[in-house]
Amino acid sequence: GAGVSQSPSNKVTEKGKDVELRCDPISGHTALYWYRQRLGQGLEFLIYFQGNSAPDKSGLPSDRFSAERTGESVSTLTIQRTQQEDSAVYLCASSFGQGRGEQYFGPGTRLTVT
Amino acid sequence: GQQVMQIPQYQHVQEGEDFTTYCNSSTTLSNIQWYKQRPGGHPVFLIQLVKSGEVKKQKRLTFQFGEAKKNSSLHITATQTTDVGTYFCAPSGSARQLTFGSGTQLTVLP
Repeated sequence: GAGVSQSPSNKVTEKGKDVELRCDPISGHTALYWYRQRLGQGLEFLIYFQGNSAPDKSGLPSDRFSAERTGESVSTLTIQRTQQEDSAVYLCASSFGQGRGEQYFGPGTRLTVT
Repeated sequence: GQQVMQIPQYQHVQEGEDFTTYCNSSTTLSNIQWYKQRPGGHPVFLIQLVKSGEVKKQKRLTFQFGEAKKNSSLHITATQTTDVGTYFCAPSGSARQLTFGSGTQLTVLP
């Protein structure tokens, strides 16, 4: 594809419900990142996938958060039992790999937990 | 990931004035990237610096990487309203993933 795509673009959910966010990286990019950005704040690293290596999950804020990636393609970020503090924009980025150039960001998914 | 401090957090300038944001690390970095995020948008890559003392220019933007590879700066000459946004540094060290700085939010007053 032309760039990183994410879906949905907006998601409103009730507290306690589970949500699944999707990221389609640029074809051929082996690295995929998830970030969280609260309103007016910086980028908070969540998880990093690199090829077939074990993902770096060091940024996941709690066990309610999990992510999967199928090979070097689509990734899904799942948030279980959503809380109001989960409200944020969730950004996905892909690159050729750590230290190998720029990260290309998707437009993000704006999650609102009511 | 690398821990970095980015300053200032906010900067308001009059159009035409210069602007500089700094990114400082307590440890040596392998390389550093800079990104710009327009209001309501997503981060967009600007540049990557790799060499000690490296200086790169993109029109009115000048990027520097310190001799010790522990700090970096982005300088904008004669700001324009199109420069509005948040500028993030993203250093890379031994960790597999980048750590983004907290960003400098630039406001340009017409």
